[in-house]
Amino acid sequence: DAKTTQPPSMDCAEGRAANLPCNHSTISGNEYVYWYRQIHSQGPQYIIHGLKNNETNEMASLIITEDRKSSTLILPHATLRDTAVYYCIVRVAGLGGGGNKLTFGTGTQLKVEL
Amino acid sequence: DGGITQSPKYLFRKEGQNVTLSCEQNLNHDAMYWYRQDPGQGLRLIYYSQIVNDFQKGDIAEGYSVSREKKESFPLTVTSAQKNPTAFYLCASSIFGAGNNEQFFGPGTRLTVL
Repeated sequence: DAKTTQPPSMDCAEGRAANLPCNHSTISGNEYVYWYRQIHSQGPQYIIHGLKNNETNEMASLIITEDRKSSTLILPHATLRDTAVYYCIVRVAGLGGGGNKLTFGTGTQLKVEL
Repeated sequence: DGGITQSPKYLFRKEGQNVTLSCEQNLNHDAMYWYRQDPGQGLRLIYYSQIVNDFQKGDIAEGYSVSREKKESFPLTVTSAQKNPTAFYLCASSIFGAGNNEQFFGPGTRLTVL
């Protein structure tokens, strides 16, 4: 699976959009971009995933650049409850070696403040 | 409610003792996973199981053992051979098969070896 690079920390004011970047310059054509988040001392929570088109769900939007070398997770109206570590993960869809194995880096610590 | 449970939330053991962490899911998922997380770090895969009575080593399997006798259960034993067992342990499950199958995580067990 391709490696990802994320800033170690970011701050965001409550009510503002939080834009979390991820670089995955070695991504290959059959690899998807996944985002999970982990609130302190809890298990990670799935947010969204995409291949090449932008995706949106009730939690967030995922914008993937045309060359697929980077992506941005957007939380449109951040709240204090969105304070967490956000992980960007790239993996091959389907069976492959390791089934659905996820490789977590150190992520971005997002702090939402009043 | 459907979900994945881990017990206990906190566990203390003396050095040299084996300890078994529980993981149960009622999501009817075929695949289950064990991860370890150290402070300030991402998750690392210990073992995973794609189907009952079958499991594979992950990236850091040494000093750990698992069993998968039932679809719903995937207990992890931390043996005395694990040199640094104090950590946060997370269990996850997912549908197994081709496609983009998100992993659902339990709340975790924090193991402290004294």
